[in-house]
Amino acid sequence: DIQMTQSPSSLSASVGDRVTITCRASQSISVYLNWYQQKPGKAPKLLIYGATSLQSGVPSRFSGSGSGTDFTLTISSLQPEDFATYYCQQSYSTPLFGPGTKVDVK
Amino acid sequence: QLQLQESGPGLVKPSETLSLTCTVSGGSISSGTYYWGWIRQPPGKGLEWIGSIYYSGNTRYNPSLESRVTISVDTSRNQFSLKLSSVTAADTAVYYCTRRPRRDGFNWFDPWGQGTLVIVSS
Repeated sequence: DIQMTQSPSSLSASVGDRVTITCRASQSISVYLNWYQQKPGKAPKLLIYGATSLQSGVPSRFSGSGSGTDFTLTISSLQPEDFATYYCQQSYSTPLFGPGTKVDVK
Repeated sequence: QLQLQESGPGLVKPSETLSLTCTVSGGSISSGTYYWGWIRQPPGKGLEWIGSIYYSGNTRYNPSLESRVTISVDTSRNQFSLKLSSVTAADTAVYYCTRRPRRDGFNWFDPWGQGTLVIVSS
């Protein structure tokens, strides 16, 4: 079975910071990797699909990269509304989410 | 704009069956290009895919839950439903309904319902 890990599990950042979150699969998943943002009490929101494609309506400060086993979500300039938990999800096989990365205020 | 809304009891007794329904508005569940499904999230924890259904009734389930899960569809009502049997406290979670493109690999979950909290307790 494919396992998904994310690092860090949490990070503290300030508005304007560049933030990078890493997701790693235990075996190659090609580009079948999606990223979601979840705020407290809300449903997850799709940010990035297919490792690099920005979902319609998502600000361009979000970007995704990677293929195979290693993937990255980057927020180029953190905004107040970006403090949230971020999950990766592989769609190569049985859907599986990473454990999440919480981004909070430094 | 497509919207999904979960409904069902918020409290279920241990060993009983959890039943939830998702009502789809702003689009047809019979569109033919999507799977419709369920994802859950225990309080303070991560996301777990439960399973999905195509409008024809073809289902896919998470192997870890497959023995207890049934997902069904009612195209006349534009709804699909989840039944999870023999529940325990470990099944306490927010349950989300969602949609994903019907293709292997290149698919994702979007949009999502607002979620409904189901507590398993006597």
